[in-house]
Amino acid sequence: GQSLEQPSEVTAVEGAIVQINCTYQTSGFYGLSWYQQHDGGAPTFLSYNALDGLEETGRFSSFLSRSDSYGYLLLQELQMKDSASYFCAVRDDSWGKLQFGAGTQVVVTP
Amino acid sequence: DADVTQTPRNRITKTGKRIMLECSQTKGHDRMYWYRQDPGLGLRLIYYSFDVKDINKGEISDGYSVSRQAQAKFSLSLESAIPNQTALYFCATSDFSSSGRPSSNEQFFGPGTRLTVL
Repeated sequence: GQSLEQPSEVTAVEGAIVQINCTYQTSGFYGLSWYQQHDGGAPTFLSYNALDGLEETGRFSSFLSRSDSYGYLLLQELQMKDSASYFCAVRDDSWGKLQFGAGTQVVVTP
Repeated sequence: DADVTQTPRNRITKTGKRIMLECSQTKGHDRMYWYRQDPGLGLRLIYYSFDVKDINKGEISDGYSVSRQAQAKFSLSLESAIPNQTALYFCATSDFSSSGRPSSNEQFFGPGTRLTVL
């Protein structure tokens, strides 16, 4: 079957670093995306990795290892506004359809 | 501003009623999607459409139908609502890049419709 596994919740203090892991098993793989969703809000796109390696965008970085079917999102210099749910999503076909993980709730404490 | 809008934002209905959720976009994207979100289950794809003449079932299409009335409009219908269809529903759009670089197929989500079926 197809699955994406990510932790359900992570708690950290302001200024800390958090890594959210995502392992996947899908019928096809074209890339791994990450989305952020604040409580009650719409998901918003953060990053995308189609090739192995690290992509950096400001305080957020995303990593992919296709041979390990694994990726992670790294949140640095955590701020209170980073408290949200984070979803990994696999693009599983050439048409660009996404399959989402169940999400990781990140709680940032003072 | 270019945007994705959903109506209604909240709806409470009774079992057996027919419900339509509407989505409109001004982004000019050709691809549109309907998802439902339940606590602890993430976003699950109901239906998707890559242009007006193309409609595809997602992983949880049973009990739902869709209509792509125009490039900018994509409606989701529940023909006979049941309580386990109580959820948060999101519409999304994307524009698939043909630039030759790997495309993220970044999806832009509407604000969501909170549906409660009693």
